[in-house]
Amino acid sequence: DAKTTQPTSMDCAEGRAANLPCNHSTISGNEYVYWYRQIHSQGPQYIIHGLKNNETNEMASLIITEDRKSSTLILPHATLRDTAVYYCIVREYGNKLVFGAGTILRVKS
Amino acid sequence: GAGVSQSPSNKVTEKGKDVELRCDPISGHTALYWYRQSLGQGLEFLIYFQGNSAPDKSGLPSDRFSAERTGGSVSTLTIQRTQQEDSAVYLCASSSGTSMSEQYFGPGTRLTVT
Repeated sequence: DAKTTQPTSMDCAEGRAANLPCNHSTISGNEYVYWYRQIHSQGPQYIIHGLKNNETNEMASLIITEDRKSSTLILPHATLRDTAVYYCIVREYGNKLVFGAGTILRVKS
Repeated sequence: GAGVSQSPSNKVTEKGKDVELRCDPISGHTALYWYRQSLGQGLEFLIYFQGNSAPDKSGLPSDRFSAERTGGSVSTLTIQRTQQEDSAVYLCASSSGTSMSEQYFGPGTRLTVT
């Protein structure tokens, strides 16, 4: 099963872009990269997912390297409400999500 | 529309008692998942239901844990003879069931075993 590696924590200034990296060097060709976040005391929230092309939605952008061994989640204008744990997940066969420790993002004013 | 709901939101029980946790998925979602999150830890997969297929029970930590899904909708997670290490937040998620569809999570049930 492909595993992911993320920094334990990151800080970002309010209004600036938050760039969260993720390594997934053992990803297989049919596995997608998913990002979820969990704000304190709430259930996880889906953010975005992608296979090999860069993706953008109303919440974030996902940049996947050409070799697919790493990716970056970009929150273009971070707000205090974006403070959360961000999980990078490589989707396993059978739909279950395997959550690692994630990255604690602290947005500071 | 309504999201995933779970009840109760909090449950305190004595060691050795049985508990039932309920999940109401989003209407029309065929896939339903249970996870748990211990204090300060990441999410741990427990069980997965997809339509009428046999559930994937590979994440259940012991035979004290069981789950059922009636009529392809509501699910109940049962923990028998609860232990203190069962204390955690139990999260339910549902999805439309296509192979790569995103999962929508409920608010969770915080279980405390005293």
